[in-house]
Amino acid sequence: DTAVSQTPKYLVTQMGNDKSIKCEQNLGHDTMYWYKQDSKKFLKIMFSYNNKELIINETVPNRFSPKSPDKAHLNLHINSLELGDSAVYFCASSHATSSGRGGETQYFGPGTRLLVL
Amino acid sequence: DAKTTQPNSMESNEEEPVHLPCNHSTISGTDYIHWYRQLPSQGPEYVIHGLTSNVNNRMASLAIAEDRKSSTLILHRATLRDAAVYYCILRDGGSGGGADGLTFGKGTHLIIQP
Repeated sequence: DTAVSQTPKYLVTQMGNDKSIKCEQNLGHDTMYWYKQDSKKFLKIMFSYNNKELIINETVPNRFSPKSPDKAHLNLHINSLELGDSAVYFCASSHATSSGRGGETQYFGPGTRLLVL
Repeated sequence: DAKTTQPNSMESNEEEPVHLPCNHSTISGTDYIHWYRQLPSQGPEYVIHGLTSNVNNRMASLAIAEDRKSSTLILHRATLRDAAVYYCILRDGGSGGGADGLTFGKGTHLIIQP
């Protein structure tokens, strides 16, 4: 069974469209994340979310919004897509430990390759 | 999270040990040292982490310097499947457990020669 899954695997769309990427984890984790990996392969955190708080990377445009229908899902909605949004988006999850964030292990999904034309 | 420095790339031969260095001279007392790797066209994968003592698991070993300003990830017998980008990341263990993401640097691109 896949621990962290994402759909779709590939997404090709036109500029200006609105799209969503789904993420599900079956690990029983309480925290989920979205990362963006650009064409230069830099991985950057976009959002992290647990049932207490949403932390947003200040560099993320407000066209991006995470939505969590339940603890096992954190979907990424993107409005008015732009060429620069083309990237690979990774979902991840983790479980809080007694040592705070320091001892947490994050599990990543396989990625969604978004191409905006 | 504190910053780490790694070589851009390293090359090794198959079935030989590989030592991947990481410098973190500004590490704080509550920072854990984590290693992740990313195989081609896949998501990042957890490898190992530690705080002060050396650590071993089925994938690798982590050797932490006594002053904690550097660490080394050791792959005991590299295979072609170990070719990946390896990231050394510090995580603060003293910040109360709130949600927050990993800060990835450029990592070390490990090339394995057959």
